[in-house]
Amino acid sequence: DAKTTQPPSMDCAEGRAANLPCNHSTISGNEYVYWYRQIHSQGPQYIIHGLKNNETNEMASLIITEDRKSSTLILPHATLRDTAVYYCIVRGNSGGSNYKLTFGKGTLLTVNP
Amino acid sequence: KAGVTQTPRYLIKTRGQQVTLSCSPISGHRSVSWYQQTPGQGLQFLFEYFSETQRNKGNFPGRFSGRQFSNSRSEMNVSTLELGDSALYLCASSWTENYGYTFGSGTRLTVV
Repeated sequence: DAKTTQPPSMDCAEGRAANLPCNHSTISGNEYVYWYRQIHSQGPQYIIHGLKNNETNEMASLIITEDRKSSTLILPHATLRDTAVYYCIVRGNSGGSNYKLTFGKGTLLTVNP
Repeated sequence: KAGVTQTPRYLIKTRGQQVTLSCSPISGHRSVSWYQQTPGQGLQFLFEYFSETQRNKGNFPGRFSGRQFSNSRSEMNVSTLELGDSALYLCASSWTENYGYTFGSGTRLTVV
C-alpha cells in the first residue's frame, strides 16, 4: 500500500506557482520521496526525488520538511501542459520491495487559463 | 536519445487467449519494470527485472509472467486472458533502481 497522502485535486492559475503537498508521516530514514506525474493517456513521467535536502531541477523544486514527514512539490510557473495527475511516492533505494513504485491515487492538478 | 519503446500500442484479444507484450528499454538501462493501470485499481506493480533476474513480483496471479533478455529487452506474457485483464500495461526502465524510472507510452490491451 502507498504510504503517502495527497489531496485528490487542486487548481492553479496559469503562470502561478503550483504547490502540491504530500504527507508521509511513516517514512523511514533510508526512504526517498519521489514525484511522478501522468498526463492523460501517457506513461508516468519522473519529476524529481530527494532524501532530506531540498532539491531543484529544470522541472520543479522539492521541499522536504526537517522531520521528513511531509513534502511539497513546487512547479514555479505552471502552464496548461502541467495539467496532470501528480504522484508522491516513498521508497527505499536498495533491495527487496524497493524495486518497485507503489502508486496511490495522486493529485489531479488542473491549470486554468 | 530514444525512450522506452513498447509494442504493440493497441491490442484486442479474446477471452482465453494469451498475449505477449514487448518492451525495449533506454539503451544502457538494466532495470525494467512492468505496471498495470486500470480505472478501478490505478497503477499496480507487476514485476521488475535486472540483468535477466526477476527481483520483485507484485500480487498478480501466475497467469502473468515476464522475462528479460541479455540485451535488457523485456517481455511480459498473460495467459488465459480474462475480461478483467483489459488495461494499460506500462513498462519502465532505469539504469539502476536508485534513479528515476522512464516509462513507455504503454500497450492498451482490450479483452473481449
